[in-house]
Amino acid sequence: AQKITQTQPGMFVQEKEAVTLDCTYDTSDPSYGLFWYKQPSSGEMIFLIYQGSYDQQNATEGRYSLNFQKARKSANLVISASQLGDSAMYFCAMREGRAGGTSYGKLTFGQGTILTVHP
Amino acid sequence: GAGVSQSPRYKVAKRGQDVALRCDPISGHVSLFWYQQALGQGPEFLTYFQNEAQLDKSGLPSDRFFAERPEGSVSTLKIQRTQQEDSAVYLCASSLLRGYEQYFGPGTRLTVT
Repeated sequence: AQKITQTQPGMFVQEKEAVTLDCTYDTSDPSYGLFWYKQPSSGEMIFLIYQGSYDQQNATEGRYSLNFQKARKSANLVISASQLGDSAMYFCAMREGRAGGTSYGKLTFGQGTILTVHP
Repeated sequence: GAGVSQSPRYKVAKRGQDVALRCDPISGHVSLFWYQQALGQGPEFLTYFQNEAQLDKSGLPSDRFFAERPEGSVSTLKIQRTQQEDSAVYLCASSLLRGYEQYFGPGTRLTVT
């Protein structure tokens, strides 16, 4: 079964508008972390935002916020005031396991969503 | 400070050749990860080091893949007898400690002909 599902292969948004990129996850572990990364055409993965499973508040980093709905197992990324430079592939990823376990730390990624920002 | 660097950025190998891919993590980062990213897909975990110890190699697709980090800093991913299905981008990431955000290098694009 897919552990991370990103159902939107591509999304379009007008410059200065907000956009939501969907991510659902599947885990039975009570302790996990959710990450969003941006991958421009240059190929480098850029860390955007992190949400821990026990965090009470939704994470925010500048124009990025994470809409964390634990019961629905969703962790959608919201980008406010889109800019042309936001056009890229976006990946949702999950870290499972407890600190100290041999598998702790590795990330499982979704298939990604290509975001295109129109002027 | 300097980010994660990888070399070479591009590598073309003939089927059957051995290749070595290098990763220089961020200075002081204890954890180092290797991922393989096929075209149009998300990265997939290959192996993980904590300092010089390889704690998890569950993602290595075959015994042709070997990774090392002998002094706990630079890491090398070696692929022996390359096959066409090995064509992918190989990403290296480092983090201060396990579980923290990972910082990725630019990747090495391997093409096996």
